[in-house]
Amino acid sequence: DAKTTQPNSMESNEEEPVHLPCNHSTISGTDYIHWYRQLPSQGPEYVIHGLTSNVNNRMASLAIAEDRKSSTLILHRATLRDAAVYYCILRGGWGGSEKLVFGKGTKLTVNP
Amino acid sequence: SQTIHQWPATLVQPVGSPLSLECTVEGTSNPNLYWYRQAAGRGLQLLFYSVGIGQISSEVPQNLSASRPQDRQFILSSKKLLLSDSGFYLCAWSYPVVNEQFFGPGTRLTVL
Repeated sequence: DAKTTQPNSMESNEEEPVHLPCNHSTISGTDYIHWYRQLPSQGPEYVIHGLTSNVNNRMASLAIAEDRKSSTLILHRATLRDAAVYYCILRGGWGGSEKLVFGKGTKLTVNP
Repeated sequence: SQTIHQWPATLVQPVGSPLSLECTVEGTSNPNLYWYRQAAGRGLQLLFYSVGIGQISSEVPQNLSASRPQDRQFILSSKKLLLSDSGFYLCAWSYPVVNEQFFGPGTRLTVL
């Protein structure tokens, strides 16, 4: 499985934007980039995913580098409820692996 | 709408005792089903996944087993628990073409 590299932890202030980076230099052409987050004592929650183009949804935006070797999850205005561990995951495309391989993720702390 | 149930929420078991954790999904048919474990302070580890009734793929060798006796039922079992089996067990489901995995509330297992 292609691997991702994320910082262990990041801090942000409430109501400020947060940019969570992820490196995936060995990504293949059919790998999708997925982001999940896990709040304390809960199961992970899907955030967003993309292939080549930048993506936006109600939770966040995903900016994908042109060479696809890195991506950034953007939380436009962090709230205290966004404090969680954020996982960047690569998943094989159609006909690829059905499974998601979770790394250690980035622990985001949001300061009031 | 789809919902996923796991029980029990917490469990304390002695070393050497058997284990049975159950996961059921409502509101969808033929889902992919997954069992993950998260040891204290660590990331999620995929244990088993299933793409259909009676079909189980094992990701890591261990003293745990999984079964899928019905389309929307996934069971995690052990004949004899070890101390190292302690952790947070999460069940998840996805549509056959995986874009997003939906996680259950989890079972926190403590083996003493």
